[in-house]
Amino acid sequence: QVQLVESGGGVVQSGTSLRLSCETSGFTFSSSGMHWVRQAPGKGLQWVAFITFDGLTKWYAGSVKGRLTISRDDSKKTVYLQMNSLRDEDTAVYYCATDGPHRDIDSWGRGTLLTVSS
Amino acid sequence: QSVLTQPPSLSATPGQKVTISCSGSSSNIGNDYVSWYQQFPGAAPKLLIYDNNKRPSGIPDRFSGSKSGTSATLDITGLQTGDEADYYCGTWDTSLSWVFGGGTKLTVL
Repeated sequence: QVQLVESGGGVVQSGTSLRLSCETSGFTFSSSGMHWVRQAPGKGLQWVAFITFDGLTKWYAGSVKGRLTISRDDSKKTVYLQMNSLRDEDTAVYYCATDGPHRDIDSWGRGTLLTVSS
Repeated sequence: QSVLTQPPSLSATPGQKVTISCSGSSSNIGNDYVSWYQQFPGAAPKLLIYDNNKRPSGIPDRFSGSKSGTSATLDITGLQTGDEADYYCGTWDTSLSWVFGGGTKLTVL
């Protein structure tokens, strides 16, 4: 079955950089677009970024554009989120998820918690 | 401030029917399919409804969705205590971003 395992979260200082990873299995990764979605403590879901199956197109939420970069490595079946100039408001659980075949987000990982402290 | 508007909370008793609304605009709901997600505390979201009204395998038919114009709704019939969770609607926006509703916390009394 589809498995998505995020890693790389932790406690970091504001202004620093970090890269989150999401290792996948159980589906044809090279044919699937991928999303990052985050959830601040006690808040709702916020979409962060999307990358197409071929890595040629990347879309970002306006609030993160220019600071966060999504990428993928098909040989490792892994999607990444490079996060620069981290801010307190980036504190959240970060989920990676698959782009579904029906204009949806269909499978989700368990998430990794990032805490940015000033 | 979420692009899609949902009621922050709803409550109902077991066996009742509850309707969760999701209001958007012509650039999102009015232009694309709506999906719904269920999230229990401490867990990842789970796809509940896709293509406005279709259920993934394993989702009970007590859950149903619909869309009209720039609004969508999720209906849950025969409410159970195990349905107590947060529910989110979502869709693509023409601004090339995915948008979620703010979420509805469903309490089953």
